[in-house]
Amino acid sequence: GAGVSQSPSNKVTEKGKDVELRCDPISGHTALYWYRQRLGQGLEFLIYFQGNSAPDKSGLPSDRFSAERTGESVSTLTIQRTQQEDSAVYLCASSLAGGARDYGYTFGSGTRLTVV
Amino acid sequence: GDSVTQMEGPVTLSEEAFLTINCTYTATGYPSLFWYVQYPGEGLQLLLKATKADDKGSNKGFEATYRKETTSFHLEKGSVQVSDSAVYFCALRDSSYKLIFGSGTRLLVRP
Repeated sequence: GAGVSQSPSNKVTEKGKDVELRCDPISGHTALYWYRQRLGQGLEFLIYFQGNSAPDKSGLPSDRFSAERTGESVSTLTIQRTQQEDSAVYLCASSLAGGARDYGYTFGSGTRLTVV
Repeated sequence: GDSVTQMEGPVTLSEEAFLTINCTYTATGYPSLFWYVQYPGEGLQLLLKATKADDKGSNKGFEATYRKETTSFHLEKGSVQVSDSAVYFCALRDSSYKLIFGSGTRLLVRP
């Protein structure tokens, strides 16, 4: 597609429920990233995909968080047993190449998750 | 590890005022440096970048110069507009894949 697409744009869920957040990167972008942005704070790295593999999952805050990517395209971030501290905007970004220093990312508009 | 430090906001200016948002970084290598902007209700957009020392990135009247000696990448604009009101993020990317962001600086421009 023309840009990075994320869905849903907003999600309100009850504490303890599972949620799935979807990211559709720019066609041909092999690198995909998930970040979290809590209210009034900076961006917190969660996970990086190169193709369908995730060489860096170091930012996932707990084992309730997982992510997968299929077909070198769509990625899904899953949060199990959501907690109120999971409330944030979850941003997805993609890039032409994961290791190129001068490539920035293209970000999606994010999914605003509210856990009540 | 690598890190980025930005001046705290909010920064409030009148239209046509001069803008500086300070950004300094810590990195073991020779990173590329970026400024991203997030307008209200929108995702992050790349504003400008610089990939080596003394490079100047520029876009939409904004400029930033990569200063290796002071490890800085301050964002400047000579005359801000109300439409520049947004959150600005400084970021670095080293030889790996990861972008490391500062905490963001909110700019509010009043008419």
